[in-house]
Amino acid sequence: DAKTTQPPSMDCAEGRAANLPCNHSTISGNEYVYWYRQIHSQGPQYIIHGLKNNETNEMASLIITEDRKSSTLILPHATLRDTAVYYCIVSGAGNNRKLIWGLGTSLAVNP
Amino acid sequence: DSGVTQTPKHLITATGQRVTLRCSPRSGDLSVYWYQQSLDQGLQFLIQYYNGEERAKGNILERFSAQQFPDLHSELNLSSLELGDSALYFCASSPRLLAGANVLTFGAGSRLTVL
Repeated sequence: DAKTTQPPSMDCAEGRAANLPCNHSTISGNEYVYWYRQIHSQGPQYIIHGLKNNETNEMASLIITEDRKSSTLILPHATLRDTAVYYCIVSGAGNNRKLIWGLGTSLAVNP
Repeated sequence: DSGVTQTPKHLITATGQRVTLRCSPRSGDLSVYWYQQSLDQGLQFLIQYYNGEERAKGNILERFSAQQFPDLHSELNLSSLELGDSALYFCASSPRLLAGANVLTFGAGSRLTVL
């Protein structure tokens, strides 16, 4: 599974959009990009995933570049409850057995 | 409530002891994963089971073992505990393996403290 690179920390003002980048330059053609978040030692929470196309759900949007070597998670209107560590993970289809979890991006949403 | 149940939530024990962590997957999920998270570290994959069979192993120590039972619940056994085994242990589950994406649902974790 491809590795990912994320900034260690980011800040965002409450109510503004939070844009979290992720580089995955060694991604293979059948590998998905997943985003999870972990709020203060709670169990990680699934946010969104994508293969090639941009995706949107009730939590966030995922923008994947055309070459698929990077992606951006967008929280459109960040709230204080979005303060968490966000993990970008790349893994093959139907195969999560060796998800490589890096240290993620610690997002602080400030009032 | 994610639907994945882990017990106990907290456990304090001494070095050299043995503990068992239990996980009940979300209803309908056939696959169970175990992860370890030490202080300020990312999640380390330990082992995966699918419908009772071991499917993959990560960097799981020989002192650790796991199994998935016919009712699909899973147990992680940690023996000869050392101070460095103190960590959060997460269980996750996912539906049957598919050709497409495979989303994990995590439990709340079991916090193990070895004194």
